[in-house]
Amino acid sequence: GAVVSQHPSWVICKSGTSVKIECRSLDFQATTMFWYRQFPKQSLMLMATSNEGSKATYEQGVEKDKFLINHASLTLSTLTVTSAHPEDSSFYICSAALRPNTDTQYFGPGTRLTVL
Amino acid sequence: QKEVEQNSGPLSVPEGAIASLNCTYSDRGSQSFFWYRQYSGKSPELIMSIYSNGDKEDGRFTAQLNKASQYVSLLIRDSQPSDSATYLCAPSKDSSYKLIFGSGTRLLVRP
Repeated sequence: GAVVSQHPSWVICKSGTSVKIECRSLDFQATTMFWYRQFPKQSLMLMATSNEGSKATYEQGVEKDKFLINHASLTLSTLTVTSAHPEDSSFYICSAALRPNTDTQYFGPGTRLTVL
Repeated sequence: QKEVEQNSGPLSVPEGAIASLNCTYSDRGSQSFFWYRQYSGKSPELIMSIYSNGDKEDGRFTAQLNKASQYVSLLIRDSQPSDSATYLCAPSKDSSYKLIFGSGTRLLVRP
């Protein structure tokens, strides 16, 4: 149980375009989903916390107008990187929590974004 | 001071040995603690969680928690080459359920 999927697993796009990443909890309802970014040889950095039906809460330094997060249902959250630039190239990982029953986070497989 | 401190390693142990991974954290309000394993190029996978002081065992893994010392550790018994990965310590942050990740300890199990 507790399976989280992400789509796409990798994407290459041109600078200035937008990219949407989907995160789905496959066998449970996730009231809270989290979005992380990881650069090579660095640890995970939390970008935002997404609660179903409400606006996402962004971490300090994360541009909310650039990284649009939507959590429209209990099983789906999306991250849209708008006007992507090469410095946005990274490994984007989502996680889902079974709150309020538990605070354990289960991670999706990640999406590798390369912006040319 | 970093919120979560881990020795970056690499920690090298021979196959069959016990690997000991340590972590200290600064937030005394943390109530939940998680260990994740991350293989190169992959996302983290949950190994185990611990909430109370003392030891918690799950197969070859034992997590130890000492809230007074703000210290949590992970022991891996009978280490296998397939255990070679980066191990991430992640206390939760207050009541928000956010996880604060350490930079991880790279474990190398030599055949």
